[in-house]
Amino acid sequence: GQQVMQIPQYQHVQEGEDFTTYCNSSTTLSNIQWYKQRPGGHPVFLIQLVKSGEVKKQKRLTFQFGEAKKNSSLHITATQTTDVGTYFCAVGSARQLTFGSGTQLTVLP
Amino acid sequence: EPEVTQTPSHQVTQMGQEVILRCVPISNHLYFYWYRQILGQKVEFLVSFYNNEISEKSEIFDDQFSVERPDGSNFTLKIRSTKLEDSAMYFCASTVQGSSQETQYFGPGTRLLVL
Repeated sequence: GQQVMQIPQYQHVQEGEDFTTYCNSSTTLSNIQWYKQRPGGHPVFLIQLVKSGEVKKQKRLTFQFGEAKKNSSLHITATQTTDVGTYFCAVGSARQLTFGSGTQLTVLP
Repeated sequence: EPEVTQTPSHQVTQMGQEVILRCVPISNHLYFYWYRQILGQKVEFLVSFYNNEISEKSEIFDDQFSVERPDGSNFTLKIRSTKLEDSAMYFCASTVQGSSQETQYFGPGTRLLVL
């Protein structure tokens, strides 16, 4: 199955600072999904990117899909304590999702 | 908004015992999935299920695991003889058509602890 590397593993930021997590694949991806998992919670779908170079925004969150469709990023502007959690990218076919290792975000008040 | 439900929320069992984890997917969804997440690690695919058959399974899903849709609403994961390393959070998910561009809706999970 497809593999995806995600960095960094952990990120601590002061509230108000920006945050970015990156996912990289050695192969071209058909699409990439992003999920957020709050501490003790379950993965919740955030967004899907399909097109080369696609950029999508959700309030303070900006998602990008690379031109070669081999990498993606999630950027949060001016983090808030509610942004705390682990952010996963996920790739794969209809029959399964392969998750990245996740980036655990801690926001210090 | 419809959601995937799972029971129990927590399960503690002795090594070697059988456990059955239950899920009720969203009612009009046709594809069902089980994932597990060992504490502090990433979410790992176990198995997908469609039309009363396993569609795909990972290396983790060995002979100790089985899935079943015993009736029109439940989707179960059975672990025949639990091992210590089966301790994890188990998530059920479902999609409407099983398209690669569909959102997978995850249930709240069952935390399994094998002693």
